[in-house]
Amino acid sequence: AQSVTQPDIHITVSEGASLELRCNYSYGATPYLFWYVQSPGQGLQLLLKYFSGDTLVQGIKGFEAEFKRSQSSFNLRKPSVHWSDAAEYFCAVGAGTNAGKSTFGDGTTLTVKP
Amino acid sequence: EPEVTQTPSHQVTQMGQEVILRCVPISNHLYFYWYRQILGQKVEFLVSFYNNEISEKSEIFDDQFSVERPDGSNFTLKIRSTKLEDSAMYFCASSVEGQPQHFGDGTRLSIL
Repeated sequence: AQSVTQPDIHITVSEGASLELRCNYSYGATPYLFWYVQSPGQGLQLLLKYFSGDTLVQGIKGFEAEFKRSQSSFNLRKPSVHWSDAAEYFCAVGAGTNAGKSTFGDGTTLTVKP
Repeated sequence: EPEVTQTPSHQVTQMGQEVILRCVPISNHLYFYWYRQILGQKVEFLVSFYNNEISEKSEIFDDQFSVERPDGSNFTLKIRSTKLEDSAMYFCASSVEGQPQHFGDGTRLSIL
């Protein structure tokens, strides 16, 4: 069964500081990996995805993530955080086949200090 | 960019009543999904739907739930007899071959 672990429930960083959100997954084959962001009361916005190829993927809003198969990880990074980045971040793993469900992690709440 | 649209944005229903949540997937998408997010918790898969039938469902998706694609554009989730614990945000998603799921903004369901 597929699963996702986000070890950090809550992270606080200062505006302008770098950010790394951790994600570890369990999946029997090559996974499809995603990061979503959710502002309070809002929907899920896709930040970036990894399907295959280059293990460093670039996303929207200056985010990037690196797929490391040996560590079963897909950590999200941003070099300089902005106050508007404060939100809930979800890592998800999806099946390689269509109609396959996505399994989400518990999420990491990001607070940005001025 | 095309979007998945969900209506209503907020639904308030008395316990025991039936509720239908509506979704209009992206027009050329073939795979459809419902997810649920209880307040403060993670997003949970409910059901996937392809070619007019359920492809996969979770243990949450019991007999009180059903899905339907009544016409060429809508995809609905029906909860037959709502319980307090059905209060959650419900997300619809759709996808095409080899692409990630696109999520709607969700319907917040409040059961009184």
